Amino acid sequence: GAGVSQSPSNKVTEKGKDVELRCDPISGHTALYWYRQSLGQGLEFLIYFQGNSAPDKSGLPSDRFSAERTGGSVSTLTIQRTQQEDSAVYLCASSLTVSYNEQFFGPGTRLTVL
Amino acid sequence: GDSVTQMEGPVTLSEEAFLTINCTYTATGYPSLFWYVQYPGEGLQLLLKATKADDKGSNKGFEATYRKETTSFHLEKGSVQVSDSAVYFCALSYHAGGTSYGKLTFGQGTILTVHP
Repeated sequence: GAGVSQSPSNKVTEKGKDVELRCDPISGHTALYWYRQSLGQGLEFLIYFQGNSAPDKSGLPSDRFSAERTGGSVSTLTIQRTQQEDSAVYLCASSLTVSYNEQFFGPGTRLTVL
Repeated sequence: GDSVTQMEGPVTLSEEAFLTINCTYTATGYPSLFWYVQYPGEGLQLLLKATKADDKGSNKGFEATYRKETTSFHLEKGSVQVSDSAVYFCALSYHAGGTSYGKLTFGQGTILTVHP
């Protein structure tokens, strides 16, 4: 079956612009996670969803970052007024439930802020 | 807070050599432990996991044993292949009261290169 998909695969933007990153989880997976992978910081947790609610937003770096999930499926990560330090690969993962350990990762969106 | 520390890389080996990548962790409660692998140009994939002390996870010839006494989860393989060249990440997910919060805390990753 289809895995986790993310779009776009690459995004180049100018400093100060807003960007939206999309994640389509595996069908039937109720838990969805966002991570960020950067050279300086490694792999960092950003936020997770159980259904449409986000019990843990502790990893969001600033209030410029927000995420939503609708219909228990697709999620969008929005970064407002992008900064150069936002450049990274943004990874999305899903799992059957929060209490089911295995997370399946998408290919990521590479964001470059000029 | 929780953290995972991996041995520094990169690691370069010849084919059929023995591999060890060290991983130690600090955590409150009783986490599950994982090794994820990222092959060149591909996404992260779960390699193996262990959910409680003394459990051994294994897959594709790789093994790791959950050692609570040393807070370690070292990855080993008896004979590496060129196709094992990848970045390996040790990770934990935190449990409290039997409910997994799901969030993965990763080590910094270890680049493995295997030469023919």
